[in-house]
Amino acid sequence: EAGVTQSPTHLIKTRGQQATLRCSPISGHTSVYWYQQALGLGLQFLLWYDEGEERNRGNFPPRFSGRQFPNYSSELNVNALELEDSALYLCASSRYTGSQTMNTEAFFGQGTRLTVV
Amino acid sequence: GEDVEQSLFLSVREGDSSVINCTYTDSSSTYLYWYKQEPGAGLQLLTYIFSNMDMKQDQRLTVLLNKKDKHLSLRIADTQTGDSAIYFCALLWDAGNMLTFGGGTRLMVKP
Repeated sequence: EAGVTQSPTHLIKTRGQQATLRCSPISGHTSVYWYQQALGLGLQFLLWYDEGEERNRGNFPPRFSGRQFPNYSSELNVNALELEDSALYLCASSRYTGSQTMNTEAFFGQGTRLTVV
Repeated sequence: GEDVEQSLFLSVREGDSSVINCTYTDSSSTYLYWYKQEPGAGLQLLTYIFSNMDMKQDQRLTVLLNKKDKHLSLRIADTQTGDSAIYFCALLWDAGNMLTFGGGTRLMVKP
């Protein structure tokens, strides 16, 4: 069974540009989560999507946005890129049973390393 | 919000046991997880424990949860060089359905 896949693995953008990161969840998983792992800041929760809806959002500015498609894959968009957006962006997926979606296991992809120059 | 703290670094010799510690401030978490991250890779779920449990054992891994002291630990028996990685504890906030991670502990295993 394929795990969570993310693309691209590496992305280099210049300041002010937009970046689009993609995530395909494990088959049967309806929830997708995005995390940012920036140097020195640890893993920070960005967004949670389930059944096409944004369910929760971390403490990030509105230029971080995303969406989930009918096939449950997801995109993370970062507009007006800043140097401090350089980080590893991790996507995770899990099943959602109504209240505690991560009640067992959330599986992470390998991440997209975004470098803003 | 939740604060989750881990020591930065742990060095052990191959064959010894490793104990990685995690402390947290908010006791409302329902699930507590341990993840492993190897260089350049994503996060691999190692094990998790429900908040109503005190201990969970899974092969070489033992998770201990002390709810009174808000302390979580991961013990790796017979540590191998392949266990060298960064280990993250993470707590689930049911209300927001998101994981709050510690800063990670870098485990170095010396042959």
